[in-house]
Amino acid sequence: EAGVAQSPRYKIIEKRQSVAFWCNPISGHATLYWYQQILGQGPKLLIQFQNNGVVDDSQLPKDRFSAERLKGVDSTLKIQPAKLEDSAVYLCASSRILSNNEQFFGPGTRLTVL
Amino acid sequence: GNSVTQMEGPVTLSEEAFLTINCTYTATGYPSLFWYVQYPGEGLQLLLKATKADDKGSNKGFEATYRKETTSFHLEKGSVQVSDSAVYFCALSFNYGQNFVFGPGTRLSVLP
Repeated sequence: EAGVAQSPRYKIIEKRQSVAFWCNPISGHATLYWYQQILGQGPKLLIQFQNNGVVDDSQLPKDRFSAERLKGVDSTLKIQPAKLEDSAVYLCASSRILSNNEQFFGPGTRLTVL
Repeated sequence: GNSVTQMEGPVTLSEEAFLTINCTYTATGYPSLFWYVQYPGEGLQLLLKATKADDKGSNKGFEATYRKETTSFHLEKGSVQVSDSAVYFCALSFNYGQNFVFGPGTRLSVLP
């Protein structure tokens, strides 16, 4: 079974530029999560999808971050415009259904904003 | 709001030593509790979980018991190995997988 795929693995941009991250969850997993992990901290949930609907986006900075999950499979997270404090690893995870089942994490995208 | 606190690292132990990593939480209600592990160069993966008070989660020799009275979920292992070197994250969630909150992580180094 293929794992959660993310791309790109690394991205360096200047502040005020835009950036997009892509995630392909494990086949058949209905729930998809995006996390932000700043160096030395634990992951912080940004947004959670159940199929193509948003379950929780309470910690997503909506003035600059957006995410979509068209057709309930792949997902894209966008930052526009980026700030220095957005430098972090962006993690995508998926789980089979909305439950206490295990979340499977992708390798992450490391974003550096200069 | 909900939060998770872990003991600060790094924790350095010799092989076969006993391990405890403390985790306490603050939450309104009774969450499910998890330990995730991140080995060097790899993604996070679930180590164990407990969904109600007094439940004990266990995996790969690691154990943690959900203590409602002390709002704690301490991770223990009787004899650590060099291969256990990793960062360990305590986490909680509500409503069957929603509102996930992770702790800051504790780095463990096991020396041969």
